[in-house]
Amino acid sequence: GENVEQHPSTLSVQEGDSAVIKCTYSDSASNYFPWYKQELGKGPQLIIDIRSNVGEKKDQRIAVTLNKTAKHFSLHITETQPEDSAVYFCAATYSSASKIIFGSGTRLSIRP
Amino acid sequence: DTGVSQDPRHKITKRGQNVTFRCDPISEHNRLYWYRQTLGQGPEFLTYFQNEAQLEKSRLLSDRFSAERPKGSFSTLEIQRTEQGDSAMYLCASRSGAGGFYNEQFFGPGTRLTVL
Repeated sequence: GENVEQHPSTLSVQEGDSAVIKCTYSDSASNYFPWYKQELGKGPQLIIDIRSNVGEKKDQRIAVTLNKTAKHFSLHITETQPEDSAVYFCAATYSSASKIIFGSGTRLSIRP
Repeated sequence: DTGVSQDPRHKITKRGQNVTFRCDPISEHNRLYWYRQTLGQGPEFLTYFQNEAQLEKSRLLSDRFSAERPKGSFSTLEIQRTEQGDSAMYLCASRSGAGGFYNEQFFGPGTRLTVL
């Protein structure tokens, strides 16, 4: 069935270092992969997304990569800052539906 | 504030009671979604509306759950005979139908339900 696996579940990095979160998806029909950031007491907020016809996308300190063959996609945050501390979710949307299938989340902590 | 709003933000109820949550989407968005999020997990899809039509329901949506969007604007999610396992954050999201399905889903702040 439809499934998105995400790891690690928790990640602690020194301020200024990079953070990487990895996800895999099960259904080859997936063609849109959004990443969401969720802060305490708030709903998820889209931070970046990538379509299946693109291998990499960058927006300032955030980049996503997609390997369709391996069904892997990753989020890279460079020069981490305290405000990057949050829970991050990868997700996949399937072409026949508009619902989002979320991963289980990564709690990112930035150490000062 | 023109974002997605949800009411109430918190609800505490006793097992067996009925509860109803409301979601007001972004005004021009014709697609509306309900998700459930339990502690330490990602949101799980519950149901989806396009205008007033409920087009998809998850297996998670048992017969105790019902959702409506009577005029294609706000939506309500009702849970009857609540159980402790219903305790979760209920999230609403909306998106525009224009331009294809890549459009972003905008999430509301959620309603946190606690069933005692």
